[in-house]
Amino acid sequence: DTEVTQTPKHLVMGMTNKKSLKCEQHMGHRAMYWYKQKAKKPPELMFVYSYEKLSINESVPSRFSPECPNSSLLNLHLHALQPEDSALYLCASSTSGARTGELFFGEGSRLTVL
Amino acid sequence: GESVGLHLPTLSVQEGDNSIINCAYSNSASDYFIWYKQESGKGPQFIIDIRSNMDKRQGQRVTVLLNKTVKHLSLQIAATQPGDSAVYFCAENKGGGADGLTFGKGTHLIIQP
Repeated sequence: DTEVTQTPKHLVMGMTNKKSLKCEQHMGHRAMYWYKQKAKKPPELMFVYSYEKLSINESVPSRFSPECPNSSLLNLHLHALQPEDSALYLCASSTSGARTGELFFGEGSRLTVL
Repeated sequence: GESVGLHLPTLSVQEGDNSIINCAYSNSASDYFIWYKQESGKGPQFIIDIRSNMDKRQGQRVTVLLNKTVKHLSLQIAATQPGDSAVYFCAENKGGGADGLTFGKGTHLIIQP
């Protein structure tokens, strides 16, 4: 099983809503990532979890709250978002221990904030 | 700003021809580069990587060249096929204990029949 599964695939929310994006992998990877990708732009790193601990937060606003409940799951909790937060949110995972450039990405959750 | 970037936003090639996608970087200490392919509606997919102790690395129909003197790398795709149509990103692993990659701007490869 070499998949990273993201749900939901599409999400529309208002600025006062609270929602969550979910990501799951069963490859035994101990590093997991959230990226944000705007249309026609490269993915931008948001958060990195290593062994279920947050190791990188790329100055992301607090209205985005990541959570790693266990080694297979990664959540991104959303609250009081702005229309400019509309984007494709990509989850990825990789092995830990040795420096690697091979991240396994999910297909993303496309978020629209009204 | 970004430390890696692409030279051209769009590259159009004939099916069967070879494609060359270029990327420049600015930090001479950068030592690990990766190429990703992103098809429409999908997440990025790893293609090939190269570390600074190498000048060239080959995969299946792909070759990455690294020129550290001019801080330039390229991805060559042999005998381009319709399935190669995608956006290609070069990325850098800056190290530091976690493997968050920094992506450069993409090049959209268009295959002409």
